[in-house]
Amino acid sequence: GEDVEQSLFLSVREGDSSVINCTYTDSSSTYLYWYKQEPGAGLQLLTYIFSNMDMKQDQRLTVLLNKKDKHLSLRIADTQTGDSAIYFCAETGGGNKLTFGTGTQLKVEL
Amino acid sequence: NAGVTQTPKFQVLKTGQSMTLQCAQDMNHNSMYWYRQDPGMGLRLIYYSASEGTTDKGEVPNGYNVSRLNKREFSLRLESAAPSQTSVYFCASSESGVEAGNTIYFGEGSWLTVV
Repeated sequence: GEDVEQSLFLSVREGDSSVINCTYTDSSSTYLYWYKQEPGAGLQLLTYIFSNMDMKQDQRLTVLLNKKDKHLSLRIADTQTGDSAIYFCAETGGGNKLTFGTGTQLKVEL
Repeated sequence: NAGVTQTPKFQVLKTGQSMTLQCAQDMNHNSMYWYRQDPGMGLRLIYYSASEGTTDKGEVPNGYNVSRLNKREFSLRLESAAPSQTSVYFCASSESGVEAGNTIYFGEGSWLTVV
């Protein structure tokens, strides 16, 4: 079955880098995603990575994929207060749908 | 651009009452989804519709029914609400299946409380 796990909380200081981790179990996942949810809002796609890639960089965001260990991470460089949100990883392993992780609440402190 | 629109945004129900959450998308997407979000559990799929005229159960379908009314609209019905259905509900859509890497677009959520 599919199971996607994340740590629930992360606190960083403004200007530092944030690293949010995710582990998944379905090795057939073709795409893995990172979504951001701000308070009281829906989820917005941040970035995604195809399963045959190890790394993807998009401005301040770096996604690393270790397919052997089924480990996905999202690094946010120079974290700002506007980055405070809940971050969800998701995988496509279960057919025509996404399976989401539990979400990591990122708190950015001044 | 409206994207995915869902109504109502907030609703309080008494146990046993019924209600329908409405969802519409204006992006001509084939696939639509209903998720619920609960603290510490992430988003769980209730039902999805891969294309107009089809619906399939997700991870937590019990207590819910859906209707894909047309390509634009996908409604979620609670026939007899229970306190365990207190949650935030999200409707979403994508051009086609997510295996192809299609982005899922989410509505802003509906906060439902069952007392």
